[in-house]
Amino acid sequence: DSGVTQTPKHLITATGQRVTLRCSPRSGDLSVYWYQQSLDQGLQFLIHYYNGEERAKGNILERFSAQQFPDLHSELNLSSLELGDSALYFCASSVDTGRGETQYFGPGTRLLVL
Amino acid sequence: AQSVTQPDIHITVSEGASLELRCNYSYGATPYLFWYVQSPGQGLQLLLKYFSGDTLVQGIKGFEAEFKRSQSSFNLRKPSVHWSDAAEYFCAVGTTGANNLFFGTGTRLTVIP
Repeated sequence: DSGVTQTPKHLITATGQRVTLRCSPRSGDLSVYWYQQSLDQGLQFLIHYYNGEERAKGNILERFSAQQFPDLHSELNLSSLELGDSALYFCASSVDTGRGETQYFGPGTRLLVL
Repeated sequence: AQSVTQPDIHITVSEGASLELRCNYSYGATPYLFWYVQSPGQGLQLLLKYFSGDTLVQGIKGFEAEFKRSQSSFNLRKPSVHWSDAAEYFCAVGTTGANNLFFGTGTRLTVIP
């Protein structure tokens, strides 16, 4: 158990819908990262938040957005869902933004868009 | 731009045999290198990481990896594989400019009795 929690574990929805994925980082960690794992794209970095502020963006679609709240939990919002958005979404956390810091991954949320 | 290549998609080894999983990276400066393992239905667990110092890094579960700058490689090794090591293994590189990770495509390890 990494100490990172993600809810829900599984999500099934339809195209065009909007969903919210939630992540609670390890106690004391200020950084939260979101990654997408799909069969065709592999594991890709989406976005990084540190202490409530966006720090870096990766291959995140405009239909996707995220935020980190004052209690440090984070939400990833996916809208106008398409079949290709079906994937495993991971959240990871680290203490700070130091280079080479270990990122601790949650168990993921498996999204299926029908 | 940074990238990670794991040339072996799938490897099968016998229990008790030695293991080496290959990883090559592309990055202009000194990289931060990681190996993660993902068991079915699980998240990613860090096995080991390299960011400076001794080029031979020891990790959890009896794994080790060696950083070879001249070959741009960071191969993962284990002298004797256990059935519980069956999983997907990901090599990742972190850069000096940001703390996000770039992952390879993974190597799936099957262990046969």
